Amino acid sequence: QSVLMQPPSVSGAPGQRVIISCTGSTSNIGAGSDVHWYQQFPGTAPKLLIYDNSNRPSGVPDRFSGSKSGISASLAITGLQAEDEADYYCQSYDRSLSGAGVFGGGTKLTVL
Amino acid sequence: EVQLLESGGGLVQPGGSLRLSCAASGFTLTSFAMSWVRQDPGKGLEWVSAIGGSGGRIYYADSVKGRFVISRDISKNTLSLEMYSLTAEDTAVYYCAKGDRSNYKEGRLDNWGQGTLVTVSS
Repeated sequence: QSVLMQPPSVSGAPGQRVIISCTGSTSNIGAGSDVHWYQQFPGTAPKLLIYDNSNRPSGVPDRFSGSKSGISASLAITGLQAEDEADYYCQSYDRSLSGAGVFGGGTKLTVL
Repeated sequence: EVQLLESGGGLVQPGGSLRLSCAASGFTLTSFAMSWVRQDPGKGLEWVSAIGGSGGRIYYADSVKGRFVISRDISKNTLSLEMYSLTAEDTAVYYCAKGDRSNYKEGRLDNWGQGTLVTVSS
């Protein structure tokens, strides 16, 4: 079981908005650790999508946004497109694990 | 341009050993933390090991502690992961990833290699 909890799957129609949640605890997200999000297509390496809770690396469309509150974080995707279909992982650091990096279990986004 | 190129994966018998390498270019290992992250086929990501930019601080997941050794060759700008006493549970794609700062307990993984597959089977 992952330290950070994500829904296994979410889906939405093209043009819609979907939100992927990432729930941690008071030893990671709730302790102030930043949350980062990665996008992964089948057979490829993960790619940084959102960093420091809400920042987009250069080249990431502004359809992708992130937020954090309390022990949870969220990734929102607006104007859903077929090419957004991928796996999404949240990541943070856990102070109870000697500050080790931890990932969510991943969420499969299906564009209907 | 940052590039990470893993090598060394393959088929190994249970109880065997393997050494993975990650050739880095476009930056210096001494300035950034580096991590190994693995992924069971069809499963999620697991942080396996990390080393700080100074080389003085190292992390191992409990699942590999005492069996895996992370190291760097600064002269070759190469990261390595030596794996011993391998079991079927170690079967995964292994990625090396670059941190955006020297401390591996902070920051994001801003660049990833393409991954190398390790299969432990008789």
